[in-house]
Amino acid sequence: GIQVEQSPPDLILQEGANSTLRCNFSDSVNNLQWFHQNPWGQLINLFYIPSGTKQNGRLSATTVATERYSLLYISSSQTTDSGVYFCAVGAGNMLTFGGGTRLMVKP
Amino acid sequence: KAGVTQTPRYLIKTRGQQVTLSCSPISGHRSVSWYQQTPGQGLQFLFEYFSETQRNKGNFPGRFSGRQFSNSRSEMNVSTLELGDSALYLCASSLHGSYEQYFGPGTRLTVT
Repeated sequence: GIQVEQSPPDLILQEGANSTLRCNFSDSVNNLQWFHQNPWGQLINLFYIPSGTKQNGRLSATTVATERYSLLYISSSQTTDSGVYFCAVGAGNMLTFGGGTRLMVKP
Repeated sequence: KAGVTQTPRYLIKTRGQQVTLSCSPISGHRSVSWYQQTPGQGLQFLFEYFSETQRNKGNFPGRFSGRQFSNSRSEMNVSTLELGDSALYLCASSLHGSYEQYFGPGTRLTVT
């Protein structure tokens, strides 16, 4: 099956700093999503981005499908950005999740 | 538009019992997928249903089963519960023709 690796596993930032989260995957995919898991466990959609670049406020994402990686950029981080970020990839609706990046933003 | 809803939100069961979890997708979404999240194994795909048919199945034992009704609502059942089945069970729905999945709040199952 598809292997998904996220890095770094843990990240601590000061409020206002920028960060880049990486997702590497082992096979061609037609589905790639980034999620933020809130403290209650719900996965919040950030981006659906099997290829290309998208931006939403302080967040942006880029997927280079031919090189099998995706990047999530968080600019001017805020304490509310804390939590776990997951990359999930797949063929169709069967998603394989990475191990996540646990982000802590300190005031 | 209402999001994906899951019931119950919390559940405590005893080893050997069975449990049924319910998921109502976003209105108009016909594909429903289920995932299990545990600290040790992370998030793992269980199965996907579309138009009342199981379309994909993950690597889980036969104790895990599911179904989908004509209104796209889905249920999953776990029989003969084991301690290792304690997990957060997440349901997701997507629109036909789209792979973008939207997740519900999850059901947290504790097996004692």
